Amino acid sequence: DAGVIQSPRHEVTEMGQEVTLRCKPISGHDYLFWYRQTMMRGLELLIYFNNNVPIDDSGMPEDRFSAKMPNASFSTLKIQPSEPRDSAVYFCASSQGQVIDANYGYTFGSGTRLTVV
Amino acid sequence: AQSVTQLDSQVPVFEEAPVELRCNYSSSVSVYLFWYVQYPNQGLQLLLKYLSGSTLVKGINGFEAEFNKSQTSFHLRKPSVHISDTAEYFCAVSPLYSGAGSYQLTFGKGTKLSVIP
Repeated sequence: DAGVIQSPRHEVTEMGQEVTLRCKPISGHDYLFWYRQTMMRGLELLIYFNNNVPIDDSGMPEDRFSAKMPNASFSTLKIQPSEPRDSAVYFCASSQGQVIDANYGYTFGSGTRLTVV
Repeated sequence: AQSVTQLDSQVPVFEEAPVELRCNYSSSVSVYLFWYVQYPNQGLQLLLKYLSGSTLVKGINGFEAEFNKSQTSFHLRKPSVHISDTAEYFCAVSPLYSGAGSYQLTFGKGTKLSVIP
């Protein structure tokens, strides 16, 4: 298995531009999570999906952020318009089953490092 | 709601010396506990987890952690570290119930372990 695949690995964009981050979860995983990592705030959960349906988006910072999961193998996180304070590493993670499952655990992608100038 | 406190942001240690990375949590419900490791420019990898049973949990790469419910702690230990253990380590919790929010991991801010030759 290739694991959770994120693209691009690095993105540099100008303030005001639209940015789209992409994620391919592990086949068969029915949960997908988007996290943001910054020095100041650490890892923050932005949104998560179960069977392609958004379950909790309370961590999405503001309306400039949106996430979709059109099918079980693909998700996007879009920022429009982008601002310098959005600069961070964005991680996608997927998991299968319930927390009580002995095999439970997130699998993280390698992240997208976003720089907004 | 849950919160995780990692008491040390940075821990330098000499090669082959023992190390302990501290983690305390706060929660109004019982929790599952996890340790993740992040190597430079990579995503997070599951190191070990406590779901139930023995409070001493063994993980990959010779790490182990002990769950102490009375002290609400889940400290990570390794008796002899290697250069390759240099990474950032994250403690995380998830609530022990099903339903909304049960799949969310709350992370600590991380501890950077630097192994000195």
